[in-house]
Amino acid sequence: EDQVTQSPEALRLQEGESSSLNCSYTVSGLRGLFWYRQDPGKGPEFLFTLYSAGEEKEKERLKATLTKKESFLHITAPKPEDSATYLCAVQPLRPQGGSEKLVFGKGTKLTVNP
Amino acid sequence: DAGITQSPRHKVTETGTPVTLRCHQTENHRYMYWYRQDPGHGLRLIHYSYGVKDTDKGEVSDGYSVSRSKTEDFLLTLESATSSQTSVYFCAIKSSGETQYFGPGTRLLVL
Repeated sequence: EDQVTQSPEALRLQEGESSSLNCSYTVSGLRGLFWYRQDPGKGPEFLFTLYSAGEEKEKERLKATLTKKESFLHITAPKPEDSATYLCAVQPLRPQGGSEKLVFGKGTKLTVNP
Repeated sequence: DAGITQSPRHKVTETGTPVTLRCHQTENHRYMYWYRQDPGHGLRLIHYSYGVKDTDKGEVSDGYSVSRSKTEDFLLTLESATSSQTSVYFCAIKSSGETQYFGPGTRLLVL
């Protein structure tokens, strides 16, 4: 069964205190891994797509990395406006079709205090 | 902004009544999706569409139906709403590559 586990569930940081969020996944084959940011009362906002182990993507203070079993979202010198819930999702590879499903983790709620 | 709007944004209804949620996109994307989001669960796929009149089930499709008569509109119908369908519903489209972009959501409360 395809599974995505995100840790920690919640993380509190001081402004400028760098850290990482983890996304561990179990799929028979990976078509893609996605990171989203979600603010309260809003829809998920796309951050990154990673397709293969060793791939890295960066955007401002965020950097996403991918291995064969997990992905990390590194946050460097975070600011209060980075506070949000960060969601990880995987798209399983289905050679026989039906690979449209994204499997989401439950998210990590990040709070950055000034 | 992926040009996705959802309506209504908020709805309160009673058990047993039919409810239709609408997703509208302005950029002619082929794939559209309906998800629900509940506390303690990740986002879960209800149904998706890969073209006009072409739809398929997701992992939590029981109690829901969908229709897509035009490229720009994807409708989600709860034929007879139940309290377990109280949730936040998100529509998404697939744009470049495999990436899905989400709409603002509809909060549905079934009393």
